[in-house]
Amino acid sequence: GEDVEQSLFLSVREGDSSVINCTYTDSSSTYLYWYKQEPGAGLQLLTYIFSNMDMKQDQRLTVLLNKKDKHLSLRIADTQTGDSAIYFCAESNGAHKAAGNKLTFGGGTRVLVKP
Amino acid sequence: DGGITQSPKYLFRKEGQNVTLSCEQNLNHDAMYWYRQDPGQGLRLIYYSQIVNDFQKGDIAEGYSVSREKKESFPLTVTSAQKNPTAFYLCASSMGTGGVAYNEQFFGPGTRLTVL
Repeated sequence: GEDVEQSLFLSVREGDSSVINCTYTDSSSTYLYWYKQEPGAGLQLLTYIFSNMDMKQDQRLTVLLNKKDKHLSLRIADTQTGDSAIYFCAESNGAHKAAGNKLTFGGGTRVLVKP
Repeated sequence: DGGITQSPKYLFRKEGQNVTLSCEQNLNHDAMYWYRQDPGQGLRLIYYSQIVNDFQKGDIAEGYSVSREKKESFPLTVTSAQKNPTAFYLCASSMGTGGVAYNEQFFGPGTRLTVL
């Protein structure tokens, strides 16, 4: 089945850039997503990228996709203390219509921003 | 305001009791999902429903049951057969499948269930 892997933890100083990495196994992935979860809350979609793109930029967020290596990254520029959260990578396969566009999530990367 | 609500935020139950978690959405979404999150782990899909009166098992459906009698509501029952029910439960909804690949899932705030 599909598998999505992330590193567990990232510590970064306020004002620096954060880079969160994700690898996936499903070569048929159509969309890849980054979600943010603050303590005790649900998940909030930050951004997504379609599989035929290799980069997407949205304000402080830059998503890079290396489809050959099945590697996805999220770069947060000028990281702030409010960026401290757990970040989840997820993938979906739009070809599997019967699967209801299920998302497969990675285990999450806990980002700690130090002042 | 449109959104997804889950209640209660915290729930305590004795071992051996069934408990039902509520999930309501007013986004007019066709599809709804239930996930379980354990500390330090990602989300695992329990059940999902693409349309009213229809639902499918996810990856960890054993010990859980759902119903989808109304478009807005997708309650999850954690039964006494679930061996380790203490977890954070998240409900989500999306517009639906309809052959559209991009299908953002919107999440509720979650219910933390503790079985004593």
